[in-house]
Amino acid sequence: KAGVTQTPRYLIKTRGQQVTLSCSPISGHRSVSWYQQTPGQGLQFLFEYFSETQRNKGNFPGRFSGRQFSNSRSEMNVSTLELGDSALYLCASSLEAAFYGYTFGSGTRLTVV
Amino acid sequence: GDSVTQMEGPVTLSEEAFLTINCTYTATGYPSLFWYVQYPGEGLQLLLKATKADDKGSNKGFEATYRKETTSFHLEKGSVQVSDSAVYFCALSDPNTGNQFYFGTGTSLTVIP
Repeated sequence: KAGVTQTPRYLIKTRGQQVTLSCSPISGHRSVSWYQQTPGQGLQFLFEYFSETQRNKGNFPGRFSGRQFSNSRSEMNVSTLELGDSALYLCASSLEAAFYGYTFGSGTRLTVV
Repeated sequence: GDSVTQMEGPVTLSEEAFLTINCTYTATGYPSLFWYVQYPGEGLQLLLKATKADDKGSNKGFEATYRKETTSFHLEKGSVQVSDSAVYFCALSDPNTGNQFYFGTGTSLTVIP
């Protein structure tokens, strides 16, 4: 079966712009999470959605937001981009919860210049 | 709070050598424990998991045992191959603290022929 699909794979944006990343989870998975990966901070949790509701949120500023649609697809948005937002953004999906394990996508590499 | 402490890298081994990557955790509840692997330019792939004390997760020759008494989940492989070169992440998910993973910092493994 198809895995977690993230689009686009690569993005280059300018400081101050906004960006939207997309994630299509495995069919039937209702929980979708987002993580930011950087060399300095490692893997940090952004937020988690389940059946269109945000269930949990990490310690990121309000510039980072997300949503989930009725078909479980998810998007995350970053407004007013800063250089420090350059990172690999990973989406992960699970049937119900992290406790059972997540399947990760290949990520979107965002570069802010 | 919940956290994972992982052995610092990088680790360099010769092919067919024995591998151990140490991982210890702190959790308020009874977490599930995971090992993920990340190949260059890719997302994270689930390597193995254990959901309760004394469980042993295993996959592709890798093993890890959930030790509640020592709060550890060390990754082992008896004979590594060049294709095992990657970054390995230990992670936990605690149902008491929401649907997110707490990741270790990752251990880079290079296997030389």
